[in-house]
Amino acid sequence: DAKTTQPTSMDCAEGRAANLPCNHSTISGNEYVYWYRQIHSQGPQYIIHGLKNNETNEMASLIITEDRKSSTLILPHATLRDTAVYYCIVRPPWVVTGGGNKLTFGTGTQLKVEL
Amino acid sequence: DTEVTQTPKHLVMGMTNKKSLKCEQHMGHRAMYWYKQKAKKPPELMFVYSYEKLSINESVPSRFSPECPNSSLLNLHLHALQPEDSALYLCASSQEAGGETQYFGPGTRLLVL
Repeated sequence: DAKTTQPTSMDCAEGRAANLPCNHSTISGNEYVYWYRQIHSQGPQYIIHGLKNNETNEMASLIITEDRKSSTLILPHATLRDTAVYYCIVRPPWVVTGGGNKLTFGTGTQLKVEL
Repeated sequence: DTEVTQTPKHLVMGMTNKKSLKCEQHMGHRAMYWYKQKAKKPPELMFVYSYEKLSINESVPSRFSPECPNSSLLNLHLHALQPEDSALYLCASSQEAGGETQYFGPGTRLLVL
């Protein structure tokens, strides 16, 4: 699986947009970009994923560069409850991995949302 | 219902004990996972079950023994653990064939004395 690089930590003021970058320069053509987050002492939570196009859901937006070597997760109006570790994960589609969707977590970005 | 439940929430065991962790989902998912997470580290995959068969074992020591009695249940049997096995054990599930999202339980925090 492609390796990802994320900043160790970021701060964001409540109500502002939080933009979390991720580099995945060795990504292959069929590999998806996934974002999960883990609030302290809880299980990871799926946020969003994409292949080539930008994606948006009720939680966040995912912007993938045209060369797919990097992406940005955007939380449009961060709240204190968004304080968490955010993981960017790159993985091939299930049909390649077989036997289940293997996720390899990197070290992630600790986002701290403050008043 | 997108919930994965895990019991117990906390477990303390001695190195000679035998204990089991339990995970349950009722989303009709056919893939289930065990992850181990040490403090301040990311989750690490241990096992994957697909259609109740073990499909991935990430070279986990035999003192950890997974079991999938049916499509909704996943157990992790623990025996002769070491203090360094103390960690948060997370269970997850996902759909097969195109299922892309893993749903995680809250985890069992294990302390081995």
